[in-house]
Amino acid sequence: DTGVSQNPRHKITKRGQNVTFRCDPISEHNRLYWYRQTLGQGPEFLTYFQNEAQLEKSRLLSDRFSAERPKGSFSTLEIQRTEQGDSAMYLCASGGSETQYFGPGTRLLVL
Amino acid sequence: GQQLNQSPQSMFIQEGEDVSMNCTSSSIFNTWLWYKQDPGEGPVLLIALYKAGELTSNGRLTAQFGITRKDSFLNISASIPSDVGIYFCAGQTPNSNSGYALNFGKGTSLLVTP
Repeated sequence: DTGVSQNPRHKITKRGQNVTFRCDPISEHNRLYWYRQTLGQGPEFLTYFQNEAQLEKSRLLSDRFSAERPKGSFSTLEIQRTEQGDSAMYLCASGGSETQYFGPGTRLLVL
Repeated sequence: GQQLNQSPQSMFIQEGEDVSMNCTSSSIFNTWLWYKQDPGEGPVLLIALYKAGELTSNGRLTAQFGITRKDSFLNISASIPSDVGIYFCAGQTPNSNSGYALNFGKGTSLLVTP
């Protein structure tokens, strides 16, 4: 399967803990995006990489969130000191200039 | 990002019926994309539209990019039970800063009874 993959698929954590998610994009895609989706809503843009450079962050990405794409391939999204409001589905997408293909997402539940 | 208004919010239809849903925006988009999302999964790309007025089909699905570039619709013909899911429209405005980040509607939930 050569689609976008994300790990883990599910994560349950206690408030205050740190969590890290991984995204492996489609290999030939140089653009990688992170989105967050809450119940009943469409995905909302968080941040974007072109190769290893993080070129844009939305205002939704608080200081507790950090994303990296060290070699321009896989990416990680870390949330420090998680809060209950961070509970959501975190989606990764990769693509070229005109389409984006999404991974299956990581569902985070903060207790 | 820009707000997209997607309607209807939900649809409950019988197998074999045709379905139509649409998406409008106060802003112009250069690309419209339609996705389907099943529970617990990521959105799956159905159709991509790149030019105003473009009409594109993918099997039983047909979508159009509105002439004003502020709207799009998706039709599903002869619905089947596996069409059940949430359908999202997404608009894209090329921007050197946002790298083509997508703006999504809130989705249309489709239920199909056998």
